[in-house]
Amino acid sequence: EDKVVQSPLSLVVHEGDTVTLNCSYEVTNFRSLLWYKQEKKAPTFLFMLTSSGIEKKSGRLSSILDKKELFSILNITATQTGDSAVYLCAVVLEYGNKLVFGAGTILRVKS
Amino acid sequence: EPEVTQTPSHQVTQMGQEVILRCVPISNHLYFYWYRQILGQKVEFLVSFYNNEISEKSEIFDDQFSVERPDGSNFTLKIRSTKLEDSAMYFCASSGRQLNTEAFFGQGTRLTVV
Repeated sequence: EDKVVQSPLSLVVHEGDTVTLNCSYEVTNFRSLLWYKQEKKAPTFLFMLTSSGIEKKSGRLSSILDKKELFSILNITATQTGDSAVYLCAVVLEYGNKLVFGAGTILRVKS
Repeated sequence: EPEVTQTPSHQVTQMGQEVILRCVPISNHLYFYWYRQILGQKVEFLVSFYNNEISEKSEIFDDQFSVERPDGSNFTLKIRSTKLEDSAMYFCASSGRQLNTEAFFGQGTRLTVV
């Protein structure tokens, strides 16, 4: 069974802290890994990672994939209260048309 | 910026009733999906749709569920006879290319079955 596991389940930090969110996966026929941010409702797209070792960066957020060890991390530096959300990791399979999601990490940034 | 829109935002229905959840995907996208998220649980895949037919569906998507693209813009999910356990947030998503690359999600419809 295809599986995506995220850790930690939840995290509380203070503004300015740096956080690292983890996503590991065991799937057949991996194609790519996506990170989403879910605030009140819809998941909004952050990154798509296909190749190992290439960091994707957007402002204070960055992410990297390790296809040998089957995991990805999402880093957020200098956190702000607006970063408070659920961060979802999802894997795209090589064959098929679906995303397999992890349970998410709930991040709360206190001011 | 183009977005996926869903209506209604919240629907309450009695057990056994039929519901139709509506979605307008991004206009030039070709692939459409329904996902659901039961409160406190993972986002789960239900079905994908391309070229006017289902391309993949999960075990959740049983005979009680159906999807349709009745015209050039709408994409609907019908649940024929709702059960209590169908209560969830239902997300529609669309992508321009296959394999869910950069799929864009709607704001969701919260379905409550009483």
